[in-house]
Amino acid sequence: AQTVTQSQPEMSVQEAETVTLSCTYDTSESDYYLFWYKQPPSRQMILVIRQEAYKQQNATENRFSVNFQKAAKSFSLKISDSQLGDAAMYFCAYSAGNNRKLIWGLGTSLAVNP
Amino acid sequence: DAMVIQNPRYQVTQFGKPVTLSCSQTLNHNVMYWYQQKSSQAPKLLFHYYDKDFNNEADTPDNFQSRRPNTSFCFLDIRSPGLGDAAMYLCATSRDLRGGENIQYFGAGTRLSVL
Repeated sequence: AQTVTQSQPEMSVQEAETVTLSCTYDTSESDYYLFWYKQPPSRQMILVIRQEAYKQQNATENRFSVNFQKAAKSFSLKISDSQLGDAAMYFCAYSAGNNRKLIWGLGTSLAVNP
Repeated sequence: DAMVIQNPRYQVTQFGKPVTLSCSQTLNHNVMYWYQQKSSQAPKLLFHYYDKDFNNEADTPDNFQSRRPNTSFCFLDIRSPGLGDAAMYLCATSRDLRGGENIQYFGAGTRLSVL
């Protein structure tokens, strides 16, 4: 069965510092996608970054980057120069094949301290 | 701007009184999803539509129904809300792309309270 595990229910970071959120997954598929979604308090869920499994290069979006370790089935999110607006719940998710559904992790609540 | 719109943002209903939540999209996506999300939990998929093809999750209670009259609109009907149905309901859309390239775009959600 495909599963996504986020082992850190809560994290905190000082403003302007760097934080890494962990995600591991389990799959027997070779072609799949991984996603990080952000859900700020009382605001809508938005996609932060995605990674295609067949691409070895780690995805980057401005201050957000991933460390994708396919063999280890690890997909961590690094947030550089953390800002107060980064405070949110972050969900790691997986999708594969012709399945239109996402497999979600339980989320990591990130607090950013001024 | 193209987007996913959910109405209302907050809905209060009485125990057992039917309620309908609505979702509309201007993205022209052929897949629409309904999720239930309880506090500090991951979204739980209730069902999704691929065009007019309805796909129910095995563990979605019969109390939850959905309608998609056209590409742009999708409704979630809760026939007899119970206290346990109080939650945030999220609507999402995606294009049906190959190989799991399944970026979902979410509405702001409807927070349902059951009194």
